[in-house]
Amino acid sequence: DAGVTQSPTHLIKTRGQQVTLRCSPKSGHDTVSWYQQALGQGPQFIFQYYEEEERQRGNFPDRFSGHQFPNYSSELNVNALLLGDSALYLCASSLRLANTGELFFGEGSRLTVL
Amino acid sequence: RKEVEQDPGPFNVPEGATVAFNCTYSNSASQSFFWYRQDCRKEPKLLMSVYSSGNEDGRFTAQLNRASQYISLLIRDSKLSDSATYLCVVNMEDDMRFGAGTRLTVKP
Repeated sequence: DAGVTQSPTHLIKTRGQQVTLRCSPKSGHDTVSWYQQALGQGPQFIFQYYEEEERQRGNFPDRFSGHQFPNYSSELNVNALLLGDSALYLCASSLRLANTGELFFGEGSRLTVL
Repeated sequence: RKEVEQDPGPFNVPEGATVAFNCTYSNSASQSFFWYRQDCRKEPKLLMSVYSSGNEDGRFTAQLNRASQYISLLIRDSKLSDSATYLCVVNMEDDMRFGAGTRLTVKP
């Protein structure tokens, strides 16, 4: 039973560039949430996707966008990268109807913006 | 005011000690609450849910006070393997909001 997988694991970009991060949810899960975790901080909610639509959004600018595909996998896109976007980006999957509150996280994509 | 606030830590305790973490949340409509554990450079994992009546899982006890919008986690008889960051998590309108985390180091 594959857990949540994310790619790439590490990447380095320069200011102004764009990045796409990918996530495959745990088998059987239909909801994907994205979080940004800066060093020494807790994960900050970016947005959540369910049925290929953005359902909830945290306090992040429009430079952060996403997509969910029919197979439930998801992408996070960040445009016009800033130094402050350097962080660990975590994808978490869940089953909406289960309503247990348990999120299963991937190991994350560590982004460094130079 | 932050949505979820935790003790800043870090907590450095000897093996066998009892340690308590506190957390407050801002949205009175929040419906469910959790503690997650995050090891260094790893992803967060669910430690336990927090129920209104309080709940216990081995050495771990979680409490919820809805009137005060306060959550706690008590760890008894600390083990070296308990060293981690403990994240308070609140379900706000179907998305999960995390506190900044409290770092615990248990020393021999």
